[in-house]
Amino acid sequence: DSGVTQTPKHLITATGQRVTLRCSPRSGDLSVYWYQQSLDQGLQFLIQYYNGEERAKGNILERFSAQQFPDLHSELNLSSLELGDSALYFCASSLGSQRGYGYTFGSGTRLTVV
Amino acid sequence: TQLLEQSPQFLSIQEGENLTVYCNSSSVFSSLQWYRQEPGEGPVLLVTVVTGGEVKKLKRLTFQFGDARKDSSLHITAAQPGDTGLYLCAGARTGNQFYFGTGTSLTVIP
Repeated sequence: DSGVTQTPKHLITATGQRVTLRCSPRSGDLSVYWYQQSLDQGLQFLIQYYNGEERAKGNILERFSAQQFPDLHSELNLSSLELGDSALYFCASSLGSQRGYGYTFGSGTRLTVV
Repeated sequence: TQLLEQSPQFLSIQEGENLTVYCNSSSVFSSLQWYRQEPGEGPVLLVTVVTGGEVKKLKRLTFQFGDARKDSSLHITAAQPGDTGLYLCAGARTGNQFYFGTGTSLTVIP
């Protein structure tokens, strides 16, 4: 157990639907990162939050949004889902937001869009 | 387009052999990390390097950050079946947002 908790572990939904993925960071970590992993694209950075505020954005689609709550858990919202959104979605956390802080990853949410 | 290219993409070796995995980019990174990922799990951090030319050793694993901070290598001595997995390098240019490499899938045959 890495200390980063992601729910649900598996999610199957239809095209056009909206889903919410949840992440609880490791105790004491203030920074949360979301990544998408697919076979053809590898691990792609989506977005980072630090202590409730958005810190950096990567290749996140406009149909996707995220937030970090006061208790530091984070949610990734995916809407108007397409078949191509099927992937593993990972959350990672780190103590700080400055360079050199190692990530602790959760076990991921496998999203299948049918 | 990936910022970081890893080679080889796939590697299958016998137990006891040595191997080196390379991670290359045209970009300069402020820090670089290596992870190992097993099927169905998230990547697990192995090491972070932040200084050009830095070498870190973890038991049978040796990590090197290039002098120009554009590349890195991972060398495994006397590979064991437990080393099997997907090895990922990840670089950060500013802040702590890491961009991951294309990955090297290693299989160590007993």
